[in-house]
Amino acid sequence: GAGVSQSPSNKVTEKGKDVELRCDPISGHTALYWYRQSLGQGLEFLIYFQGNSAPDKSGLPSDRFSAERTGGSVSTLTIQRTQQEDSAVYLCASSLVGVMGTEAFFGQGTRLTVV
Amino acid sequence: AQSVTQLDSQVPVFEEAPVELRCNYSSSVSVYLFWYVQYPNQGLQLLLKYLSGSTLVKGINGFEAEFNKSQTSFHLRKPSVHISDTAEYFCAVSDGSDYKLSFGAGTTVTVRA
Repeated sequence: GAGVSQSPSNKVTEKGKDVELRCDPISGHTALYWYRQSLGQGLEFLIYFQGNSAPDKSGLPSDRFSAERTGGSVSTLTIQRTQQEDSAVYLCASSLVGVMGTEAFFGQGTRLTVV
Repeated sequence: AQSVTQLDSQVPVFEEAPVELRCNYSSSVSVYLFWYVQYPNQGLQLLLKYLSGSTLVKGINGFEAEFNKSQTSFHLRKPSVHISDTAEYFCAVSDGSDYKLSFGAGTTVTVRA
């Protein structure tokens, strides 16, 4: 596609429910990032996929968070048993691996509200 | 991986005044440096980037940044800001060991008339 696409754009869920957030990166981009942006906070790194390498999961805040990337393209971030502190904007970005210094392109984000 | 420090979390500035946003990173042999901007209720977009060559990089909307290897810094400047420059600004770094981008915590610039 023309840009990074994220869905849904907004999600309201009840505390304790599971949610899935989807990211469709730019075609051909083999690096994919998930970040979280809480109100008044900066970008919190969550997870990084690069090609077929094992993902860098060092930013996932708890074992309730997980992410998959199928076929080297679409990624799904899953939050189990959501808590109110999970409310944030979840941003996905992709970049072109193999070209040093390439920038990341961001989607518009999914605003998650846990009530 | 790199670590990135944005020294100012909030920068209030009057319209037509200059602004400088500071960014420092952990040292490495070679780095690639970026500034992103996030306008209110919008996604992040690239403002400018340094890959190699001239240490002074010009970006969109009159912004420029200077790479200083000895000080491991990449400060962003604009000589005269507009109300429309009110936004959050993020510094990011990647190095030659992998392609992963590391972001700073962000600086919120609020321009007042």
